[in-house]
Amino acid sequence: DTAVSQTPKYLVTQMGNDKSIKCEQNLGHDTMYWYKQDSKKFLKIMFSYNNKELIINETVPNRFSPKSPDKAHLNLHINSLELGDSAVYFCASSQDRGTTGRNYGYTFGSGTRLTVV
Amino acid sequence: SQQGEEDPQALSIQEGENATMNCSYKTSINNLQWYRQNSGRGLVHLILIRSNEREKHSGRLRVTLDTSKKSSSLLITASRAADTASYFCATTQTGANNLFFGTGTRLTVIP
Repeated sequence: DTAVSQTPKYLVTQMGNDKSIKCEQNLGHDTMYWYKQDSKKFLKIMFSYNNKELIINETVPNRFSPKSPDKAHLNLHINSLELGDSAVYFCASSQDRGTTGRNYGYTFGSGTRLTVV
Repeated sequence: SQQGEEDPQALSIQEGENATMNCSYKTSINNLQWYRQNSGRGLVHLILIRSNEREKHSGRLRVTLDTSKKSSSLLITASRAADTASYFCATTQTGANNLFFGTGTRLTVIP
């Protein structure tokens, strides 16, 4: 069974469209994340979310919005896609978000390669 | 920027040799983690070292942490062709929960 699964794996779309990427984890983890990896392989956090709190990286345009129907899902919705949104988007999850900080590794999905044309 | 830096950006070695990658970061951390990413795949967690630890081993992996220098190193001993991948360090900051990644080292192990 895939621990963190993302769909679709590839997404090609035109500028101006709205698209969603789905993510599901079957690990029972408390927190889920979205990361963006650009063409230079830089990984930047976009969102972290548990059932109590959404933390948004302030550099993320408000065209991007996470939607979590339940603890096991965190979907990424993108409005009015732009050329610069082309990247690989990774979903991840982790076990604990205690105030003492992270003591567990993240589990990543296999990524969604988004190409905006 | 909270993003760390890794050195070297690319490393090419012969199978059987050891590979050492270094990571520097900027802020106080709670822990530091290393991940591997094979081409076109997701990241795989390798090892985590807490801020109060100085060295940790896992199989052929050895990680060191020097919080006074804000640096870490990952040593892969007796490398194999299957170790070819990009390696990223990532940190969680004191009082925060998100992982911030370094720029990565691309390791190529030549059979």
